[in-house]
Amino acid sequence: GESVGLHLPTLSVQEGDNSIINCAYSNSASDYFIWYKQESGKGPQFIIDIRSNMDKRQGQRVTVLLNKTVKHLSLQIAATQPGDSAVYFCAENAAAGGNQFYFGTGTSLTVIP
Amino acid sequence: DAGVTQSPTHLIKTRGQHVTLRCSPISGHKSVSWYQQVLGQGPQFIFQYYEKEERGRGNFPDRFSARQFPNYSSELNVNALLLGDSALYLCASSFVTGSYEQYFGPGTRLTVT
Repeated sequence: GESVGLHLPTLSVQEGDNSIINCAYSNSASDYFIWYKQESGKGPQFIIDIRSNMDKRQGQRVTVLLNKTVKHLSLQIAATQPGDSAVYFCAENAAAGGNQFYFGTGTSLTVIP
Repeated sequence: DAGVTQSPTHLIKTRGQHVTLRCSPISGHKSVSWYQQVLGQGPQFIFQYYEKEERGRGNFPDRFSARQFPNYSSELNVNALLLGDSALYLCASSFVTGSYEQYFGPGTRLTVT
């Protein structure tokens, strides 16, 4: 089955710095990816998505980069704020897989004031 | 607009019992997916329903079943509960099936004693 993993389980950054969260995926047929933010006791919150025909997509303070050659995904958060502290998941949707998303174990981001 | 809603928010059951969890998707969304999230791990796909039909099933035993109603709401049923079924059960909805944005509800926290 699909395997989605994260390089680092925890990440601590100073408030105002930029954060980079990485994710590796194993299914080269995956055609759509979503980054989610999950705060304690809550469901995952949609942050940004990217399709496999794109290399980069920007949102408000967030950028997702996709490198299909090495099957790597990253989430960049600009000017990290204390409210960004949460667990971040990348999720992949294999081609023709319907809405079956496969998640990694998550990276816990802590923003130090 | 209301997001995905789930009920109940918390539930405590005894081993061997049965449980029914409920989900209402975002208005206009026709696809509902269910995920199980064990503490410290990423969500694991259980089922996807679209237009009242099962479109995908994850690697879960037959004790797990689900259905979708004409109004696109959904129920997840788990029979013969085991201690290992204790988890956060998440429902996600999207407009259509396939590679589209998927939004999660707050989840139902199930504890099996």
